[in-house]
Formats: sequence, structure tokens, C-alpha cells
Amino acid sequence: SSELTQDPAVSVALGQTMRITCRGDSLTTHYATWYQQKPGQAPVLVMYGKNKRPSGIPDRFSGSSSGNTASLTITGAQAEDEGDYYCSSRDSSGIHLWMFGGGTKVTVL
Amino acid sequence: EVLLVESGGGSVQPGWSLRLSCAASGFKIGDYAMHWVRQSPGKGLEWVGGLNWDRGSIGYGDSVRGRFTVSRDDAKNSLYLQMDSLRPEDTAVYFCAKDVSPGGDYFDSWGQGALVTVSS
Repeated sequence: SSELTQDPAVSVALGQTMRITCRGDSLTTHYATWYQQKPGQAPVLVMYGKNKRPSGIPDRFSGSSSGNTASLTITGAQAEDEGDYYCSSRDSSGIHLWMFGGGTKVTVL
Repeated sequence: EVLLVESGGGSVQPGWSLRLSCAASGFKIGDYAMHWVRQSPGKGLEWVGGLNWDRGSIGYGDSVRGRFTVSRDDAKNSLYLQMDSLRPEDTAVYFCAKDVSPGGDYFDSWGQGALVTVSS
């Protein structure tokens, strides 16, 4: 189907590891891109391609992919990692062209 | 430094038109694909439409196709979103986003957004 599915919310204890997943048929042919968004702010690119981080993104962020599922892992979550995380990819069907997942709200306890 | 600044948002009635602008600095918009992405209040991100480096339309999302048009002015280094026949469900913050490539790949820089409210 032409959509990306994310869990609505995930919580993690400070300093622990968390994983956010994104599922969709397009991910078998396109890499997922991950964006972090904090309340009232624009999204920020945090992961792209095959486990690539933009300059300025801490190395506690990592990405992986298997089949139709992409994952964003935060190893040693910090309070500033709280926010909404969206996956995105091109659409293999060519219908939607670019798609976003519904977003995962991350809470650091 | 890449900077994108949206303007032109506001409150309009259903059926009206509105044009958003996105002023870019720190790069030439003609060298990259550019996009508009929106976010309805309390909701997720939705791709609206885009333009690749040679002004070819990348396309539009299903919900806006035929009503919205993306264009750009290289001399002003600005991107535009012409929104016609606006509906209440078009109420959202509209973000301008720079693509990492000329033909369209992913979005590496975003503006702060412009709020559009469509209500009678």
C-alpha cells in the first residue's frame, strides 16, 4: 500500500536505548528519511540514506532497514531528544510521490 | 547558511485564493528541487507539491492537485505556492523545504512555516 506506518508514541528512560520503526512497501525500494520536530518548530533532518547523519546530529542517532521496515535508534536517549519523529520516502507507486508516516511522539522519562 | 522564510499566510474564507512566498538565501533555488509541505493543527506532515531544478513540476499531493500551483522566481530566489479554491481542510502551517538534489530526493532544510486558516 502507498503509506508509511509508525507507532503513535514511544517512551524511554533517560540514557536508555529506543527504536522507532516505519513500515511501508516503498521502503523495499527507497531509503527512509527521518525528521525530528519539536513543538512549534520546523522539522529537522536527522537521518537519510543508508544510516547517514547530517552534520550536527549526535552519533547516538542511527538508522537501519530490513525489507519493508526502517528503524531509527537513539542509543542513550537525552531529554532534548523528546519530540515527534516522522519517516518519509518516495512512493514506489508514483501516486503520492513523497509520503510521510503519521509520526511517533517520543517521551524521555 | 541556508535560510528559508515563508510569508503570505493569513485567514481566508472557503473558495478564496492565497499565495505563499518562500524567500531563500544561502543557496540558489534554481540548483535544487524545492517543495511545500503542510501540517494541519495537531496532525502530521503532508507533502503538498514540488518543483525540480529545471522548473518541471515534480507533482502534487492528491488533496491539492488541480487547485494548488508551485512556481519560482530565480531572480528573487523565491518559491511560491498559489492556492486556489481553498477549503477548510487546507487549514495548516505550510513549510517550504529545500531538497538535497536537483531532481528530488529528501528535504535537508525547512522554513519556519506560514499559517493558513480557511474558515467562514
